[in-house]
Amino acid sequence: GIQVEQSPPDLILQEGANSTLRCNFSDSVNNLQWFHQNPWGQLINLFYIPSGTKQNGRLSATTVATERYSLLYISSSQTTDSGVYFCAVALNTGTASKLTFGTGTRLQVTL
Amino acid sequence: KAGVTQTPRYLIKTRGQQVTLSCSPISGHRSVSWYQQTPGQGLQFLFEYFSETQRNKGNFPGRFSGRQFSNSRSEMNVSTLELGDSALYLCASSTRGTQYFGPGTRLLVL
Repeated sequence: GIQVEQSPPDLILQEGANSTLRCNFSDSVNNLQWFHQNPWGQLINLFYIPSGTKQNGRLSATTVATERYSLLYISSSQTTDSGVYFCAVALNTGTASKLTFGTGTRLQVTL
Repeated sequence: KAGVTQTPRYLIKTRGQQVTLSCSPISGHRSVSWYQQTPGQGLQFLFEYFSETQRNKGNFPGRFSGRQFSNSRSEMNVSTLELGDSALYLCASSTRGTQYFGPGTRLLVL
């Protein structure tokens, strides 16, 4: 099956710092999403971004489908950004809802 | 619109019992997917239902089953519970490729 690798696995930032999270995937995809899982377990959808670039406030994401990677940028980080960030993909075989998740990047933002 | 809701939020069962979890999707969403999250295996796809039909299935034993009703609400059932079934079970509804997750049901099997 498709492999999804995320880096770094852990990240500690001071409030106000910027960061880049990376997601590499092993096959062509027609669905790529970034999620933030808060300490209570809730998965929040950040971006649906199978290709191109999107921005939402302090967050932005870029997916280069031909090179099989996606980047999530967090600028001016806040303590509320802490949690685990997951990248999830689905293959180009009509299974857009069958997401394969990476192992996540655990982010801690300190004061 | 109200988000995806899941009930119950927490559940404690003993080995050998069975459990049924419920998920109500966002209004208008016809696809419902289920995922299991454990510390060891991460987030894994269980199955997806669309218009009351199972459309996709993950690599889980037959003890895990589900169904979807005409109002798109979905249930999943785990029979003969094992200790390893302790997990966070997440339900998601989707539209145009974007999946929206519920708060999850935490199942502890003793």
